[in-house]
Amino acid sequence: ETGVTQTPRHLVMGMTNKKSLKCEQHLGHNAMYWYKQSAKKPLELMFVYSLEERVENNSVPSRFSPECPNSSHLFLHLHTLQPEDSALYLCASSQDFSRGIGEQFFGPGTRLTVL
Amino acid sequence: GQNIDQPTEMTATEGAIVQINCTYQTSGFNGLFWYQQHAGEAPTFLSYNVLDGLEEKGRFSSFLSRSKGYSYLLLKELQMKDSASYLCAVTDSNYQLIWGAGTKLIIKP
Repeated sequence: ETGVTQTPRHLVMGMTNKKSLKCEQHLGHNAMYWYKQSAKKPLELMFVYSLEERVENNSVPSRFSPECPNSSHLFLHLHTLQPEDSALYLCASSQDFSRGIGEQFFGPGTRLTVL
Repeated sequence: GQNIDQPTEMTATEGAIVQINCTYQTSGFNGLFWYQQHAGEAPTFLSYNVLDGLEEKGRFSSFLSRSKGYSYLLLKELQMKDSASYLCAVTDSNYQLIWGAGTKLIIKP
């Protein structure tokens, strides 16, 4: 595996379900990000981890819960989601969380549908 | 507030040249990125500008004018595979990355 991988690629869940999204980066980077991408809207930064510590949390509802057990893995735990949470969830990594400067490498995303 | 504006959609012909504009109003500036995103795929890095002027990279060039809060991405010798969305993103004074909604580029034969 190379680059940034995400599983699952597609997920359909009910509002009462609990599921988790997984991201893994094979680039030796120190920073990882979760983004939400909705149709025709800008990418929304949800969470940033640098060296396994959360450094950014942009007012994301508590029904989204991130976890970063090590610098290569990032999870997004989902529970009691709403239909408006349906979107593409992208994971990204960069060499360092050097204050936003520097290329980010993205995974292919998880297409989430909440019924 | 902070804002990035780019056209929603553009159409161009194979072999031609297209310019995708991006204007920004942010609290400070620490660099501008362009990313390409094919449908159903991850965004991939195209270019980074922090100083005024033109950066050329093969068929793609990116221009920046900090005084005007303006950038463009220029694609030459268009190919069908260039059909994608092009995302503009700016790093502000707090080093937050502010994203535009993207421009969907449609290439016709």
